[in-house]
Amino acid sequence: SAVISQKPSRDICQRGTSLTIQCQVDSQVTMMFWYRQQPGQSLTLIATANQGSEATYESGFVIDKFPISRPNLTFSTLTVSNMSPEDSSIYLCSVATGGNEQFFGPGTRLTVL
Amino acid sequence: QKEVEQDPGPLSVPEGAIVSLNCTYSNSAFQYFMWYRQYSRKGPELLMYTYSSGNKEDGRFTAQVDKSSKYISLFIRDSQPSDSATYLCAMSDGTRGYQKVTFGTGTKLQVIP
Repeated sequence: SAVISQKPSRDICQRGTSLTIQCQVDSQVTMMFWYRQQPGQSLTLIATANQGSEATYESGFVIDKFPISRPNLTFSTLTVSNMSPEDSSIYLCSVATGGNEQFFGPGTRLTVL
Repeated sequence: QKEVEQDPGPLSVPEGAIVSLNCTYSNSAFQYFMWYRQYSRKGPELLMYTYSSGNKEDGRFTAQVDKSSKYISLFIRDSQPSDSATYLCAMSDGTRGYQKVTFGTGTKLQVIP
């Protein structure tokens, strides 16, 4: 397993602004993932971030809206750009340590007014 | 039809009861199956991880996979108030380079003392 921390844990933002969420892992991992979790819905994968390469985005998510950085094997950021109230959600990062199972951070609860 | 179907509950049981949580799926390529527990305002925590069909036991928890019926279950014996959480099933076909995992919407469980 891995210990994962996220910053901030929560934030309230104004529409039109951007928020960068940080994800830190206590060990080196190849694959990191960013998810969105909205009430009553399953976790939705936004993108996969591998160190040294461009992030791979899932259908419905684009780099201009959700730019991701992965500067090293223990850290990643997700930016939610030009926010609207529809972006209000919990954002989670996760890591895969070798198998198909993933381990999650505590999440960032975002509210956009 | 969703790839993974999970009854959202809520499911309310008395302390000590046996709890059965279930998911059905439509993708016959899924071969890795997981159960996550998510407490309120926390990230998902991996509980059980199984490959292909069969049973796996860990303490009070038993995971069952029936690939012929495309049906998976999580049983909790001697349920405790501390088991009150949302339980998410998740599954993967394991063939994609970055191990995409598909999640159910979660079942909210409340164990009443």
